[in-house]
Amino acid sequence: GAVVSQHPSWVICKSGTSVKIECRSLDFQATTMFWYRQFPKQSLMLMATSNEGSKATYEQGVEKDKFLINHASLTLSTLTVTSAHPEDSSFYICSARDAARSGNTIYFGEGSWLTVV
Amino acid sequence: LAKTTQPISMDSYEGQEVNITCSHNNIATNDYITWYQQFPSQGPRFIIQGYKTKVTNEVASLFIPADRKSSTLSLPRVSLSDTAVYYCLVGDNYGGSQGNLIFGKGTKLSVKP
Repeated sequence: GAVVSQHPSWVICKSGTSVKIECRSLDFQATTMFWYRQFPKQSLMLMATSNEGSKATYEQGVEKDKFLINHASLTLSTLTVTSAHPEDSSFYICSARDAARSGNTIYFGEGSWLTVV
Repeated sequence: LAKTTQPISMDSYEGQEVNITCSHNNIATNDYITWYQQFPSQGPRFIIQGYKTKVTNEVASLFIPADRKSSTLSLPRVSLSDTAVYYCLVGDNYGGSQGNLIFGKGTKLSVKP
């Protein structure tokens, strides 16, 4: 199946700093990527939809100035958590849509653990 | 926006066949049904996708009745490593507030020896 890679797998940062997470589709072009957040023992919560070459669409309650999304190419989307605080600590997951496949199948990255200290 | 409903949890034993049913009464004409498996601290892994009738691959089968208002993921002869959360997603092209890819709570499958 298609491969989506996230980097880093885990990161620890100090409160007040910013951290960037990358999401790459390795063997297909993804005009649309998605960013999720997941707390322990809970389901995935969609944060935003990232469209190549245009602004991301954020879900209600998600601060766009805090969670900056850039989708500059057909294979790369980045999520930057700005001025991170301990409450931003979470598991962040990206996914990418393979529009070349029937059903516009979505493939997920491995996830990135963010710990803000 | 197609909302899905799945059992919260299921228990099984090694070697048994497991069937997980998902209800999606508001499925739209263009919507596909996709199932994912998630282990702790990992991203969801694609299992199978279908539009109607039956789809089978090397790991699972997906049964979809004619009205498409539900679907059943069938895992043959489960093993301990199949213990995971299984999500059913319904949608087409759009994400979030525009349409699909809203995750339900999933079904936590526990396989016992």
